[in-house]
Amino acid sequence: QVQLQESGPGLVKPSETLSLTCTVSGVSLSSYYWTWFRQPPGKGLEWIGYIYDRGNTNYNPSLKSRVTISVDTSKNQFSLKLSSVTAADTAVYYCARVISGVLFYWGQGTLVTVSS
Amino acid sequence: EIVMTQSPATLSVSPGERATLSCRASQSVSSNLAWFQQKPGQAPRLLIYGAFTRATGIPARFSGSGSGTEFTLTISGLQSEDFAVYYCHQYNNWPPGTFGQGTNVEIK
Repeated sequence: QVQLQESGPGLVKPSETLSLTCTVSGVSLSSYYWTWFRQPPGKGLEWIGYIYDRGNTNYNPSLKSRVTISVDTSKNQFSLKLSSVTAADTAVYYCARVISGVLFYWGQGTLVTVSS
Repeated sequence: EIVMTQSPATLSVSPGERATLSCRASQSVSSNLAWFQQKPGQAPRLLIYGAFTRATGIPARFSGSGSGTEFTLTISGLQSEDFAVYYCHQYNNWPPGTFGQGTNVEIK
């Protein structure tokens, strides 16, 4: 059974870097697309970016200058870093597995609040 | 960018009744359309993909139809656990794909 679990600090100060990890169980990270979304409180879902084949990435153009997604196959984890955060980056962050564009499996989400 | 428009924004339905949710794409997405259910404090749950294929473990009361630009999610015999927000998602141009703004199915 495929399971995803996000982890990381729930509070980040403005101008600092948000760092989250998604731990995957039940399947190897190799040869699949793994993605990050976020959902600000009371709003819709925004795609952040994806990684596949152990290192190829694609990012939302609106976030591209601040986003890095990486993978650690030895731990079966992939990670998100978002730099220079502001209050507008406060959201629930989700990791998900993509198969042919379909978002089949999701983590339960983790709330990250940007505040001093 | 493909814009997905869902209607209505809110749907009030009595338990046991049928709910019909609509999703319209600004251009054709073929059958590359999925439906998700989201409850407060939970992640989206995949219900339907390929416009009409139920995901694993999804009850038969959920059905999807449509292709091109017009899609429908029908929930037959609404149960208490079905009251939630429903999103459509086109993945014809993944990435990034596009979500609709959601339909809130509430108890009448």
